[in-house]
Amino acid sequence: DSGVTQTPKHLITATGQRVTLRCSPRSGDLSVYWYQQSLDQGLQFLIQYYNGEERAKGNILERFSAQQFPDLHSELNLSSLELGDSALYFCASSETGASYEQYFGPGTRLTVT
Amino acid sequence: EDQVTQSPEALRLQEGESSSLNCSYTVSGLRGLFWYRQDPGKGPEFLFTLYSAGEEKEKERLKATLTKKESFLHITAPKPEDSATYLCAVSNSGGYQKVTFGTGTKLQVIP
Repeated sequence: DSGVTQTPKHLITATGQRVTLRCSPRSGDLSVYWYQQSLDQGLQFLIQYYNGEERAKGNILERFSAQQFPDLHSELNLSSLELGDSALYFCASSETGASYEQYFGPGTRLTVT
Repeated sequence: EDQVTQSPEALRLQEGESSSLNCSYTVSGLRGLFWYRQDPGKGPEFLFTLYSAGEEKEKERLKATLTKKESFLHITAPKPEDSATYLCAVSNSGGYQKVTFGTGTKLQVIP
């Protein structure tokens, strides 16, 4: 158990809908990262927050957004969902914003039908 | 753009048969190279961070090494429980601290 929690574990929704994925980092970690993992593309970095502020941005679509709250939990919002958004979404956390050891949560499996 | 290439894509070993996994990388200034283990349907589990060429780290049957262009994950006398996908990732030293992952090597250790 990494200490990172993600909810929900599974999510099934229809195209065009909007969903919110939630992540709580390990106790004491200030940085949160979001990744998307699909069969054909591997693990893709989406976005990083450090202590409430956006720190780095990867291949995140404009339909996706994220934020980190004062209690350090983070939410990833996915809107206007498409079939291709079906994937595993992982959250990771690290002590600092320097991207050293990242500890991953169990993931949220999103299925868009 | 940072790139990570892992080989082979899949590896099947007999229990006790040692081997190495390769991770080739190009990065604009290496901040760190990471190895993770991922079991099916689960989040990656952190194994090692290497920071500079010549560095080595060990954990049980695993040993990671780093050169200026690649990293190796050596598996000595593997056991079936070592079966997993092993991911390599790099972080660059620029202000844009993105982590780039390879697509992994799927290891199967047969009893």
